[in-house]
Amino acid sequence: DAKTTQPNSMESNEEEPVHLPCNHSTISGTDYIHWYRQLPSQGPEYVIHGLTSNVNNRMASLAIAEDRKSSTLILHRATLRDAAVYYCIRQASGYSTLTFGKGTMLLVSP
Amino acid sequence: ETGVTQSPTHLIKTRGQQVTLRCSSQSGHNTVSWYQQALGQGPQFIFQYYREEENGRGNFPPRFSGLQFPNYSSELNVNALELDDSALYLCASSFAAELNTEAFFGQGTRLTVV
Repeated sequence: DAKTTQPNSMESNEEEPVHLPCNHSTISGTDYIHWYRQLPSQGPEYVIHGLTSNVNNRMASLAIAEDRKSSTLILHRATLRDAAVYYCIRQASGYSTLTFGKGTMLLVSP
Repeated sequence: ETGVTQSPTHLIKTRGQQVTLRCSSQSGHNTVSWYQQALGQGPQFIFQYYREEENGRGNFPPRFSGLQFPNYSSELNVNALELDDSALYLCASSFAAELNTEAFFGQGTRLTVV
């Protein structure tokens, strides 16, 4: 049970921002929200994670709703290399294992 | 700093055989987790090793077993292979003292059981 809900697929155009939603309505107060992505024929790659506050790094931004029942991964300018399956994962505090769902397949068009 | 490496990259086995997959963790990481990814699905957690001991297990039968060595590298062994064991097997390394931070995955081993 991944305990997160994501759209099966989304499409974007190159150089446009992409907002990937994730619903985690049953999240507990101490669960972290992680995002990983998996490019074709590769292992998953860490993107970003957060607990309560919005987070930014060189790859993306993570916007967490105030009630923490949902979050959005933001890619500021999509490139063709961003085409991948994006996984939103809840991770209990004090753990290092990951429970993956099916993720969102992001398609990026030139 | 080296990344996570897995070997072999591809493998074909016959139903009923046994297989051993190998993983070298990222430098400085003392925890290794193994995942199975069937086609079109997200990775599923098999088990985790920390300091050479199994430290958590997913919903996989006992014929899936593992080892972690003093240098933190790891093996995944699967006995009595079944057709449904065909999948991409991924290992991920992390540092136990830094919980809830990023894990680093290898490229995986593609196992085909015929």
